[in-house]
Parts: sequence; C-alpha cells; structure tokens
Amino acid sequence: EAQVTQNPRYLITVTGKKLTVTCSQNMNHEYMSWYRQDPGLGLRQIYYSMNVEVTDKGDVPEGYKVSRKEKRNFPLILESPSPNQTSLYFCASSFIWEGLDNEQFFGPGTRLTVL
Amino acid sequence: SQQGEEDPQALSIQEGENATMNCSYKTSINNLQWYRQNSGRGLVHLILIRSNEREKHSGRLRVTLDTSKKSSSLLITASRAADTASYFCATDVEYGNKLVFGAGTILRVKS
Repeated sequence: EAQVTQNPRYLITVTGKKLTVTCSQNMNHEYMSWYRQDPGLGLRQIYYSMNVEVTDKGDVPEGYKVSRKEKRNFPLILESPSPNQTSLYFCASSFIWEGLDNEQFFGPGTRLTVL
Repeated sequence: SQQGEEDPQALSIQEGENATMNCSYKTSINNLQWYRQNSGRGLVHLILIRSNEREKHSGRLRVTLDTSKKSSSLLITASRAADTASYFCATDVEYGNKLVFGAGTILRVKS
C-alpha cells in the first residue's frame, strides 16, 4: 500500500530534550516536506527536500533540522525543543512537477507537546 | 501573507445542499489543488486543476479556476454528513518548489 508513515504519532517531552520524528514513504517520490499546523494558521512549511542530499528551508525553519540520506526517509530533528514548537506535524511527499501531477501524500501526523 | 486564502472560514449547511468554497491567490501558478482534512488527521488530496484548465470534475466535486482573477472555487454537490471536514486549497507556485496552503474552510454538514 502506497503510504507515508510517521513516528511517533504522539509525543510529550520537556524543553531542551532532543527528539527526532521519522518520516518514510514507499512511493519513490523525489520531493518530501515537513509542515506544522497550528490553529488559525493553516499549514506552514518547515523544510523540504527535492531529492537525496538536497534540502532547503521553508517558511518556518528556525529550531528544526532535517536530513535526506535516503530517498524514502526524511527525519525532522528538534535539537532543543521549546514550548512554541508544540504543534501538529505532518510529513508529505510527491513527485516533482515536470509533466507529472504533484499531488502530495500526507502522513497521519505527529502531535507534539513540549512542556 | 498567505498565497492561498479560502473563503468562507466556516460553512454550515444541511445534508443534501451544495457547498461552495473559494480560494484566492497572489502569484502565477502551475496548478491549484484542493485537500480535505478530517479532524486532526493527515490531509487527503481531492483534485488538481492545472493553470491551463478552467473546470474539472471528480464525482460530486467540481473545481473551477480563473487565472485572470487568481481565484478558484470548489463545489461539493449533494453534501453528506461525512463531508464534514476542513478543506484547503494549495497552490503550486510557478518557479517555486513547494505547495502553499491556505488557512482552510471548515465545512459542517448537518444531518
């Protein structure tokens, strides 16, 4: 089954404790992206990747890191989480537009609470 | 400011009625996409309309695109209680590398 998986689905942590949220897709998509969703603000892009070893900042990258060592995986790293990073996080993937429809496939979300 | 902005922010209708949501955007696009999100879950792609298309249908969904006005509308016909969700438009910005999402329209269909 074609899907994007994220882990963990729920996480409660404390300020300053490093954490990683994993994302994996099985559709051979070049493009992967991380979003955060906060009430009234819609989805805001954190980082994206056009292919292996190619990553770039989105609209709200501060406090986050990513890596793309393999095509299928795109982990999100919070080196020193703070309470303002409490949010619902989504990973998504797609083909890259070049005659292909670039609809994005979303993971189920990770609800993060930083105390 | 956001590229895509939906209107209205919230919409409440009776089952069987049609629901119309609008999206406006600011810059040239390759395509515009509509997504649906059930409470707290991942977004699900509904329909994509390319910049050279004016109208597209998929089941009970009808999407229009007016590039001269930089706007799109999503029509859901004969709505059902199961259509209750948030709906987002997303624009694939020309010469960009990402989809830009609006803040969404919350649709509630009462049975």
